[in-house]
Amino acid sequence: NAGVMQNPRHLVRRRGQEARLRCSPMKGHSHVYWYRQLPEEGLKFMVYLQKENIIDESGMPKERFSAEFPKEGPSILRIQQVVRGDSAAYFCASSPTRTGGLETQYFGPGTRLLVL
Amino acid sequence: GQQVMQIPQYQHVQEGEDFTTYCNSSTTLSNIQWYKQRPGGHPVFLIQLVKSGEVKKQKRLTFQFGEAKKNSSLHITATQTTDVGTYFCAGADSSNTGKLIFGQGTTLQVKP
Repeated sequence: NAGVMQNPRHLVRRRGQEARLRCSPMKGHSHVYWYRQLPEEGLKFMVYLQKENIIDESGMPKERFSAEFPKEGPSILRIQQVVRGDSAAYFCASSPTRTGGLETQYFGPGTRLLVL
Repeated sequence: GQQVMQIPQYQHVQEGEDFTTYCNSSTTLSNIQWYKQRPGGHPVFLIQLVKSGEVKKQKRLTFQFGEAKKNSSLHITATQTTDVGTYFCAGADSSNTGKLIFGQGTTLQVKP
């Protein structure tokens, strides 16, 4: 059973470009969470999605960031017009059901975004 | 908003010494989870504690959940170099949407 897949693993963008980060949850998991980790810091929640629905986006910056989890295909975190402060590791996690805090979240290997 | 604080931020120990990291939440938690992240790696789930006062052991690791369900600790006995990494506690958000609130982590360095 493959784990959570994320690609690309490393992404370099210049300021003003767009970054697209992909996450394929574990087989049988329909809940996806995105977290951001700045260097030397903990993980900060960004958004929680189910298929075709955004459940909680309270951690998403209001501008330039968007996320989706279509019926078919991976979840995508999109960052438009990237700035240097967006440089971070972006982790996706999945769980089989609505967590409510009782289901383990399994993390992918992350995408390390570097904005030049 | 809900916060999870973790101390210490860094800990250097000699191989064979014990290590403890502490986690405190500003609110009562339904459960707490612990993760380990190696340098350059991703968080790997270690354990989940649900019951008040719960204690769980995994070989040299002992996890404890406080009676008030607002604090937790991870204790490693006789550290080994393979224990190196950052240990995070994470509490389920009180809004019950499933998102985890992570502590800042404790980075453990073990000198051989």
